Amino acid sequence: GQNIDQPTEMTATEGAIVQINCTYQTSGFNGLFWYQQHAGEAPTFLSYNVLDGLEEKGRFSSFLSRSKGYSYLLLKELQMKDSASYLCAVVDSNYQLIWGAGTKLIIKP
Amino acid sequence: IAGITQAPTSQILAAGRRMTLRCTQDMRHNAMYWYRQDLGLGLRLIHYSNTAGTTGKGEVPDGYSVSRANTDDFPLTLASAVPSQTSVYFCASSDSGGNTGELFFGEGSRLTVL
Repeated sequence: GQNIDQPTEMTATEGAIVQINCTYQTSGFNGLFWYQQHAGEAPTFLSYNVLDGLEEKGRFSSFLSRSKGYSYLLLKELQMKDSASYLCAVVDSNYQLIWGAGTKLIIKP
Repeated sequence: IAGITQAPTSQILAAGRRMTLRCTQDMRHNAMYWYRQDLGLGLRLIHYSNTAGTTGKGEVPDGYSVSRANTDDFPLTLASAVPSQTSVYFCASSDSGGNTGELFFGEGSRLTVL
């Protein structure tokens, strides 16, 4: 079966750095997405990785290793507004989007 | 403001009733999707449409139907609601087919079936 694994919940301190991991076992790979979802709101796009390496976008960076079936989302200079769930999703060989259950990130002052 | 509009935002429904969740986008995206989101689970695809006039089944299509008469509208119908259909429903669209493009989501419709 296809599977996306993310930690259920993480806690970090305002101003710090946090890394949210995502491992996947899918039938093929055609890209990996990260979305942010604040409580009671819609998911919003953060990043898309299809090649190995690090993609940086302001305070957020996303890393991909296809050989390891692994990605992480790195959030720097954490702000209270970063408290949200972070969803990892993989596009498989049939171009179906497989979603992880999400990681709830709690930021403490 | 361009985007996706869903209605209703929230609804309580008696089991056995018929319900249609509306979704409209003004971005002229070809692909549209309906997902349900339940606590502890990833988003699950119910139905999708790659272009006006075509629809397809997702991971959990049973009990749901969709239509795509034009580019902008993609309603989701529950013919006879059951309590297991209690969930938050998200409509999404993309200008790229094959799930390789960014998804734009509506604000969600919270449905409770009693």
